[in-house]
Amino acid sequence: GQQVMQIPQYQHVQEGEDFTTYCNSSTTLSNIQWYKQRPGGHPVFLIQLVKSGEVKKQKRLTFQFGEAKKNSSLHITATQTTDVGTYFCANPITGGGNKLTFGTGTQLKVEL
Amino acid sequence: EAQVTQNPRYLITVTGKKLTVTCSQNMNHEYMSWYRQDPGLGLRQIYYSMNVEVTDKGDVPEGYKVSRKEKRNFPLILESPSPNQTSLYFCASSGLAASKQYFGPGTRLTVT
Repeated sequence: GQQVMQIPQYQHVQEGEDFTTYCNSSTTLSNIQWYKQRPGGHPVFLIQLVKSGEVKKQKRLTFQFGEAKKNSSLHITATQTTDVGTYFCANPITGGGNKLTFGTGTQLKVEL
Repeated sequence: EAQVTQNPRYLITVTGKKLTVTCSQNMNHEYMSWYRQDPGLGLRQIYYSMNVEVTDKGDVPEGYKVSRKEKRNFPLILESPSPNQTSLYFCASSGLAASKQYFGPGTRLTVT
């Protein structure tokens, strides 16, 4: 079935360093969503990308959707301790009603 | 305040004892879902609903039941829980199919 692979699984960075997580699909995605889950919390929606090659920014976060709509990335510039958490991508299943598939997530730890 | 609520937040039970986890949303959303979250596996969709009395299977429906008798409520039923259903469960709702998910706070279930 339609699956999204997310890498890396874990990332430790020093505060101030950059961080990137990637989602890759073998099939074309209609759109891709990104979520953040703080430790002990629930996933919170960050953004949705729909257009081929789309780039969106939220302060230090930059989201990209690949030209072929098969991959996406989330880049955080100059990480802060508040960025700690797990970042998930998610994509709807084509023709799947309300079916949504999540990537396995990238757990980010930021050290001072 | 727009929110999704789940109860209970924590539950320890024994194999075979039927249980229900309630979920309610106050955003008048048509679409609701249940997910389970396990280490290394990310979020996996159990069941989803596209409206009252309309439900369908997600990726891991075995051992679970749902019902959608009212728009705001979407309970998850485990008729005969087993230890492999020990997990963190999230309910979510959205205004459009497979779009921005609003997650509840989660229910941590342990089956012994």
